[in-house]
Amino acid sequence: DIQMTQSPSSLSASVGDRVTITCRASQRIRGNLNWYQQIPRKAPKLLIYAASTLQTGVPSRFSGSGSGTDFTLTISSLQPEDFATYYCQQSYSAPPTFGQGTKVEIK
Amino acid sequence: EVQLLESGGGLVQTGGSLRLSCAASGFTFISYAMSWVRQAPGKGLEWVSGIGGSGYTTYYAESVKGRFTISRDNSKNTLYLQVNSLRAEDTAMYYCAKRFSTTSEDAFDIWGQGTMVIVSS
Repeated sequence: DIQMTQSPSSLSASVGDRVTITCRASQRIRGNLNWYQQIPRKAPKLLIYAASTLQTGVPSRFSGSGSGTDFTLTISSLQPEDFATYYCQQSYSAPPTFGQGTKVEIK
Repeated sequence: EVQLLESGGGLVQTGGSLRLSCAASGFTFISYAMSWVRQAPGKGLEWVSGIGGSGYTTYYAESVKGRFTISRDNSKNTLYLQVNSLRAEDTAMYYCAKRFSTTSEDAFDIWGQGTMVIVSS
């Protein structure tokens, strides 16, 4: 199975901050990388697929980049509703695997 | 509105069984592969099982192979997960998720609200 490693595991940030989360795959996965947001006690929500394509309805302050083994999720200006846990997931090969999550907390 | 609604979770003893259901609405159910993804309390997301649109192709995580069975009834727009021989480590919120897939894109774009399974000795 492909292992997905996110960093950091958690971070504290203020409203308006630029936030970057990194995801690394244990082998090359081309651009087959998705990002999800999970607010506490809610289901995950797809934010970005194919590494950089914004899902319909997701604010443009979210962006994704990367290819191969290294990927990045960026929130350009953190908003109160963005405090959540973020997961990356590879769809390159079965089984689909997720990173361990990055919790974004209020500073 | 596209929606997935899970049910069937509960408290069960070690070794017991449950059947989880996921009712789909708002999209052409038969056209999409579906999956179950679980999340243990305070932990991350773990893919459990997947099934193709027709129901003939199924996939399982090694951790549940031989104990869990995924199926679907396209006439009822419903996905199922039969969970047998339950262990403490199966305690989790179980989400059903719709998979959208093209030649270059593959992601879980719609998720249900989840159904909780608690395995107790």
